[in-house]
Amino acid sequence: QVTLKESGPVLVKPTETLTLTCSVSGFSLSNPRMGVSWIRQPPGKALEWLAHIFLIDEESYSTSLKNRLTISKDTSKSQVVLTMTNMDPVDTGTYYCARMFFYGAVDAFDVWGQGTMVTVSS
Amino acid sequence: DIQMTQSPSSLSASVGDRVTITCRTSQNIASYLNWFQQKPGKAPQLLIYAASSLQSGVPSRFSGSGSGTDFTLAINSLQPEDIATYYCQQSYGTPRTFGGGTKVEI
Repeated sequence: QVTLKESGPVLVKPTETLTLTCSVSGFSLSNPRMGVSWIRQPPGKALEWLAHIFLIDEESYSTSLKNRLTISKDTSKSQVVLTMTNMDPVDTGTYYCARMFFYGAVDAFDVWGQGTMVTVSS
Repeated sequence: DIQMTQSPSSLSASVGDRVTITCRTSQNIASYLNWFQQKPGKAPQLLIYAASSLQSGVPSRFSGSGSGTDFTLAINSLQPEDIATYYCQQSYGTPRTFGGGTKVEI
């Protein structure tokens, strides 16, 4: 059974750095047909893709947030970590990690974590 | 970035109705288009990948069509459990992008 689970702080202060961990099971992060993305959702708003990582070191970031984001993975621990610097109240929302599965040339987020709510407030 | 425009932003329909949601992209993405369903308080779930392929376990009343810049998600015979917000998403290029969502109510 494939599962992903997000963990990290519930509350962060403005200007602090957020570190979120996605722990995966049921698949290997070294599998070339799979990767992991981070996606967030402010309360009552739409989904926003943040970053992904797959293969050995293929990383990509949101254009508007790329200066604040870093994604990395520890294959031996089956974990993917996202850091976001200089947090602001507008960054409040639910953060999801999701598996990217490659159906041939097309990839899709086929399994999602339950999400973790992060509030940015002093 | 590839812009995704969904319409309508919300709709109300009756049980048994056929419902269609459209997604338009700012550039040609061939068939690199996925659809997700999100129920309140839950994580999104993949419905359709590659524009028209039904994800395993998804009821056959859901279908997807289109290619290039115009795509459609159809729900044949709307059921009460289909109440949710639906999102399109492109996997043609990076950054990946989502549409603004369509809220379906009964």
